[in-house]
Amino acid sequence: EAQVTQNPRYLITVTGKKLTVTCSQNMNHEYMSWYRQDPGLGLRQIYYSMNVEVTDKGDVPEGYKVSRKEKRNFPLILESPSPNQTSLYFCASSWDLGETQYFGPGTRLLVL
Amino acid sequence: DQQVKQNSPSLSVQEGRISILNCDYTNSMFDYFLWYKKYPAEGPTFLISISSIKDKNEDGRFTVFLNKSAKHLSLHIVPSQPGDSAVYFCAARPSGGSYIPTFGRGTSLIVHP
Repeated sequence: EAQVTQNPRYLITVTGKKLTVTCSQNMNHEYMSWYRQDPGLGLRQIYYSMNVEVTDKGDVPEGYKVSRKEKRNFPLILESPSPNQTSLYFCASSWDLGETQYFGPGTRLLVL
Repeated sequence: DQQVKQNSPSLSVQEGRISILNCDYTNSMFDYFLWYKKYPAEGPTFLISISSIKDKNEDGRFTVFLNKSAKHLSLHIVPSQPGDSAVYFCAARPSGGSYIPTFGRGTSLIVHP
């Protein structure tokens, strides 16, 4: 089954404790991205990657890091999480930048 | 500054009637538009799209209309069903550059039986 998976689905952490949210897709897609969804703000892109070792900032990259060492994986790293990073995070993938994106189920993060 | 606006945070419709969800954009470089549907506890899923060379695209009960001069698009669902209750996101991308899509804030549709 073609899918985008994210782990964990739910995470509660404390300020400053580094965390990684994993994202994996099994569709051999070139393009992957991370979004955060906040009430009243919709989906905002954090980072995107056009291929292995190629990443670039989206609209709200501050406080986040990403890496793309393999085509299928695109982890999101919060080196020092802060309460304003409490949000619902979605990973997405597509064949190319302009193509329809397939989204993962989301990771709900609470930073205390 | 919002480049893609969905000014109605919510919409309530009776089953069987038409649902009309609206989206406005400000960037004249946008030339491809998409609608995504999102159920609670799930990621958004692609619903329908339209290119700027067309003014209408239809897929079953879903039709998207594009008015380029007004920079406005709308999603029509006819007839509406309770299973259509979800948050609908409008997205747009430019013709050049990095093709990063810009999403609206979403409209929550509730279809009452």
